[in-house]
Amino acid sequence: KAGVTQTPRYLIKTRGQQVTLSCSPISGHRSVSWYQQTPGQGLQFLFEYFSETQRNKGNFPGRFSGRQFSNSRSEMNVSTLELGDSALYLCASSYELAGVYEQFFGPGTRLTVL
Amino acid sequence: KQEVTQIPAALSVPEGENLVLNCSFTDSAIYNLQWFRQDPGKGLTSLLLIQSSQREQTSGRLNASLDKSSGRSTLYIAASQPGDSATYLCAVSLGGSNYKLTFGKGTLLTVNP
Repeated sequence: KAGVTQTPRYLIKTRGQQVTLSCSPISGHRSVSWYQQTPGQGLQFLFEYFSETQRNKGNFPGRFSGRQFSNSRSEMNVSTLELGDSALYLCASSYELAGVYEQFFGPGTRLTVL
Repeated sequence: KQEVTQIPAALSVPEGENLVLNCSFTDSAIYNLQWFRQDPGKGLTSLLLIQSSQREQTSGRLNASLDKSSGRSTLYIAASQPGDSATYLCAVSLGGSNYKLTFGKGTLLTVNP
């Protein structure tokens, strides 16, 4: 089975621009979560989508948004970029089987805001 | 609010040594705990998942234990190799349709040949 894929792998943007990141989950996984990783804050949860609905949300400003499509692929959008948005953005897909819920991560998108 | 702490922050050992990485969490009402490995600039690789009802899980040279009541987990690596050098992250989820992972800051492991 193919793993979680994320595109693009690297992005350079300037302050004030917006960006869209894409995540394709493992086939059959219906849940997609997004995390931000920075050296200072570590890994922080952004949001989770399940069957095209946002199921959970972290403590990030409204500039961060996402959506999920009927094929479970997900996109994350950040508007009005700030320098502090520079980070590695990781997507994870999940399944639940017999009460076991395990998350599998993609390689990430490295976003640099200049 | 769930907080996860990993000790030590960094560890350097000679090849062949057995070692233990520690993880503690403040809210014992967890659904499961996962240990991950992250190589520089890369994504996370899931190593072991322990459900709240389990006490330990093993995979090859890795053994993870869970003591929910005390809010602790350990990752034991036997006969360490230079290829084990990476950052090891511990994460917990609360479950009940909230499966978000709360991560520790990780332990940076260096195994010297």
